[in-house]
Amino acid sequence: AQTVTQSQPEMSVQEAETVTLSCTYDTSESDYYLFWYKQPPSRQMILVIRQEAYKQQNATENRFSVNFQKAAKSFSLKISDSQLGDAAMYFCALVTQGTYKYIFGTGTRLKVLA
Amino acid sequence: ETGVTQTPRHLVMGMTNKKSLKCEQHLGHNAMYWYKQSAKKPLELMFVYSLEERVENNSVPSRFSPECPNSSHLFLHLHTLQPEDSALYLCASSQDWASNQPQHFGDGTRLSIL
Repeated sequence: AQTVTQSQPEMSVQEAETVTLSCTYDTSESDYYLFWYKQPPSRQMILVIRQEAYKQQNATENRFSVNFQKAAKSFSLKISDSQLGDAAMYFCALVTQGTYKYIFGTGTRLKVLA
Repeated sequence: ETGVTQTPRHLVMGMTNKKSLKCEQHLGHNAMYWYKQSAKKPLELMFVYSLEERVENNSVPSRFSPECPNSSHLFLHLHTLQPEDSALYLCASSQDWASNQPQHFGDGTRLSIL
């Protein structure tokens, strides 16, 4: 069975600082994809960043980057220079090549303090 | 402006009512999804449609009945719901099913069962 675990229900960060959100996963598949989605209070889930498991290089999208540790099955999201608009629920998700079914974590609520 | 539109945004209904949730995507995608989002739980995939055919049904109670008349529209018909069905219902679409393509989400319908 595939699982995604986000152990931090809530995190806070000061504006302009850096924060890291944790995600661990479990799958027996060797070919899979990992995603971070953001859900602001407006509710629409938006893709933040995506990582292919076969790529060793960590994905980066502007202020968002991941630390992908395949052996440890860890996929953390780093947000640099945090902005007020980053406040949202962040969901980690796993899609395996076999099932193509999205498995989501329980989410981490990020608060950005002015 | 979202490529996936859901109506209504909020719905309050009694357990004996019949109502429908609507989702429309303007992205030319071939796959559409219904998810249930409850507090402190991972998103639960309910149904998947690919080219108007249901390809996934995750043991969802029969009081939820999906309908996909064309690749742009997806409905979720509700009847005789229970209080535990109160949740945010999210619609999503992706280019194709059985792929690792990102999913695009709507704003959701907040459903409250009295």
